Amino acid sequence: KQEVTQIPAALSVPEGENLVLNCSFTDSAIYNLQWFRQDPGKGLTSLLLIQSSQREQTSGRLNASLDKSSGRSTLYIAASQPGDSATYLCAVSSTGANSKLTFGKGITLSVRP
Amino acid sequence: GAGVSQSPSNKVTEKGKDVELRCDPISGHTALYWYRQSLGQGLEFLIYFQGNSAPDKSGLPSDRFSAERTGGSVSTLTIQRTQQEDSAVYLCASSFGRGNTGELFFGEGSRLTVL
Repeated sequence: KQEVTQIPAALSVPEGENLVLNCSFTDSAIYNLQWFRQDPGKGLTSLLLIQSSQREQTSGRLNASLDKSSGRSTLYIAASQPGDSATYLCAVSSTGANSKLTFGKGITLSVRP
Repeated sequence: GAGVSQSPSNKVTEKGKDVELRCDPISGHTALYWYRQSLGQGLEFLIYFQGNSAPDKSGLPSDRFSAERTGGSVSTLTIQRTQQEDSAVYLCASSFGRGNTGELFFGEGSRLTVL
């Protein structure tokens, strides 16, 4: 059974800092890994999707890497801003008949002005 | 439509009543998921529809929960005889093509409160 872990559960940093959010998963047989952002009371917004054959994806100040063999992904946020404050979730899509995404519990990020 | 649309956005009901939650996926998306998010918990998979295939119902927590997807588009999640532990945000998502290879797009969710 796939399990996804995100530690720590919460993080507070000063504005301008570069930061890394970690995600680990137990079963390396995945199709892809996706990072989402969730603002309070809102749905999830897709940030980056990394296919299993890829090592990283970049979008603006965000860079996500994937090391499938070690079961790890990181989301790098450059020059953090208060508007980056949100909960960041990673989710993996496992191979096999069951097509569900398995989510981590998320990391709640607070960027202090 | 432009995005995944869910209704109602908020629903307060009394214990024992039935509720229906609606999801209108992005046009052309063949895969549709329902997830549940309880306070302080991660997202819990409920059910997955892919085209005309039989749905994956493995995440439904009890037989009080059911879902339909009519015409490969709109989906309705029904909860019968609601209980207080059913209180959560119910999120719908859709993707193009085979669900687990495509990018997932979520709706804003339906917040259910059972009194």
